[in-house]
Amino acid sequence: DAGVTQSPTHLIKTRGQQVTLRCSPKSGHDTVSWYQQALGQGPQFIFQYYEEEERQRGNFPDRFSGHQFPNYSSELNVNALLLGDSALYLCASSLFPDRDTDTQYFGPGTRLTVL
Amino acid sequence: AQSVSQHNHHVILSEAASLELGCNYSYGGTVNLFWYVQYPGQHLQLLLKYFSGDPLVKGIKGFEAEFIKSKFSFNLRKPSVQWSDTAEYFCAVNARGGSYIPTFGRGTSLIVHP
Repeated sequence: DAGVTQSPTHLIKTRGQQVTLRCSPKSGHDTVSWYQQALGQGPQFIFQYYEEEERQRGNFPDRFSGHQFPNYSSELNVNALLLGDSALYLCASSLFPDRDTDTQYFGPGTRLTVL
Repeated sequence: AQSVSQHNHHVILSEAASLELGCNYSYGGTVNLFWYVQYPGQHLQLLLKYFSGDPLVKGIKGFEAEFIKSKFSFNLRKPSVQWSDTAEYFCAVNARGGSYIPTFGRGTSLIVHP
């Protein structure tokens, strides 16, 4: 049973550039959520995708955008990178939360460094 | 919106010592509660979760947590830690019947000396 996978593992960009991160959900899951984990902090919710639409969004600027494909995989795009965007970006998958017992499963993350 | 507070940011223990990590949340409604663990170089993994029923929840690797509703707390415990328990521990809460998006605490770094 394949778990959540993310690519790339590490990425180095410079300020002002754009980046795309990728995620494949756990087998059988249809919902993908993205989180930003700054050093020394807990994960912060960016947004969630289900049925190829953004369903919920956290307190992140429009520079952060995403996409979900028909096979449930997802991309996170960040435009006009800032130094403060340096973080571990986590993808989590789940079944669309129509039950109270759903749990999110996390991928290994992509470490983004902005210079 | 809910919030989570983890009071111990850094904990250092010797092997065989007992562990208790504090977690308090702020939310007026019914919640689901989680503890996640992040071992060095590994991804975030679910340690245990509470949805309903017995407030004492047992998870993997000998960990347990107790939900005390009156104190808005969900403390994590282990009677005897091992060197392999060295990791970052995160408490999380989501609102039942709400957005289901978990809110995480800032984490507790646990170092266990052999």
